[in-house]
Amino acid sequence: DSGVTQTPKHLITATGQRVTLRCSPRSGDLSVYWYQQSLDQGLQFLIQYYNGEERAKGNILERFSAQQFPDLHSELNLSSLELGDSALYFCASSAGQSGANVLTFGAGSRLTVL
Amino acid sequence: GENVEQHPSTLSVQEGDSAVIKCTYSDSASNYFPWYKQELGKRPQLIIDIRSNVGEKKDQRIAVTLNKTAKHFSLHITETQPEDSAVYFCAASTSRGSNYKLTFGKGTLLTVNP
Repeated sequence: DSGVTQTPKHLITATGQRVTLRCSPRSGDLSVYWYQQSLDQGLQFLIQYYNGEERAKGNILERFSAQQFPDLHSELNLSSLELGDSALYFCASSAGQSGANVLTFGAGSRLTVL
Repeated sequence: GENVEQHPSTLSVQEGDSAVIKCTYSDSASNYFPWYKQELGKRPQLIIDIRSNVGEKKDQRIAVTLNKTAKHFSLHITETQPEDSAVYFCAASTSRGSNYKLTFGKGTLLTVNP
């Protein structure tokens, strides 16, 4: 167990639906990162939060949004789902806000859109 | 933004041989270069990292080299073992003021044959 908790582990839904993925960072870590992993695209950076504030944005679609709450857990909201959104979504955490920090990954949430 | 190219996409070696994975990056401001290993069905985990003020770093059978002038860095695994079989991701971290971003390569699937 890495200390980063992601729920749910698996999620199957239909096109057009909305889902929320949840992440609790490792104790003491203030940064949360979201990555999307698909077979042909590797690890695509979506967004980073540090202590409740957005710090960096990657290739996150407008249909996706995220936030980090005062207790430091984070949620990634995916709406108007398309077949191509099927992927493994990883959350990672680190102590600092710099990209030069070691990331600790969660086990991932596997989303299947039918 | 930063672009990280990783080669080869797949690599097959015999147990005991060496394996080399190479990455190039585009942003000369990148200053932190980690390598993550992802075993099948598991989360990515950091195996080694190097910062821009260092040219080489070793940890037992693995080593990383960095050529800042050419903007490339490599992972070297010696005396490979079957348990080294995994997907390896390189990454580069860029900072711009208060914005930090860690960009991953697309990964290399390493297979070590007994």
